[in-house]
Amino acid sequence: DVKVTQSSRYLVKRTGEKVFLECVQDMDHENMFWYRQDPGLGLRLIYFSYDVKMKEKGDIPEGYSVSREKKERFSLILESASTNQTSMYLCVTRAGGWTEAFFGQGTRLTVV
Amino acid sequence: AQKVTQAQTEISVVEKEDVTLDCVYETRDTTYYLFWYKQPPSGELVFLIRRNSFDEQNEISGRYSWNFQKSTSSFNFTITASQVVDSAVYFCALSEAQSGGSYIPTFGRGTSLIVHP
Repeated sequence: DVKVTQSSRYLVKRTGEKVFLECVQDMDHENMFWYRQDPGLGLRLIYFSYDVKMKEKGDIPEGYSVSREKKERFSLILESASTNQTSMYLCVTRAGGWTEAFFGQGTRLTVV
Repeated sequence: AQKVTQAQTEISVVEKEDVTLDCVYETRDTTYYLFWYKQPPSGELVFLIRRNSFDEQNEISGRYSWNFQKSTSSFNFTITASQVVDSAVYFCALSEAQSGGSYIPTFGRGTSLIVHP
């Protein structure tokens, strides 16, 4: 079974803090994605990566950055957390475009 | 432009009713992939089915069935004799080639299905 593990299930941070969300997968998948999920808006793509050290902006990258130093780990960074970044963050991994996506359990981030 | 439209925000049914979740997509590609995922209250999305653009054959899996129609760009999902355990948010997704040959999944906004006992 593919395992996609996000470092925290729930997180509370203060406005202005730098926040790191970690995602690790154990299936050697090259494709990894970060989405945020908000009620009524569905899943929106923040950043994605097809290989180590490679990153591409998604639809809503503002206020975020990513890091992929190793194939199995894809980190999402909130440079200076704001209340409008309160959301559920989902890490997704996939072997290829034709294959199904595997999801982490999600990190519910609250910025106060 | 939204590429995957799930017009039904929430559907409420009574157990044993049949229910259909609609999904309409947009793409210019001839090669693409469609998916359905289920997100139960626990939160983790679970894969249900995949279809590629060359395979319009409908599929049935137990109480679940999917109807793929390229003519109407739809990939609808029907649950027969719904059960309380079917209560979840269901997402339809499209995976199409981007520049450079990469595929990025685009998700609909989800349909929340509530099945009452």
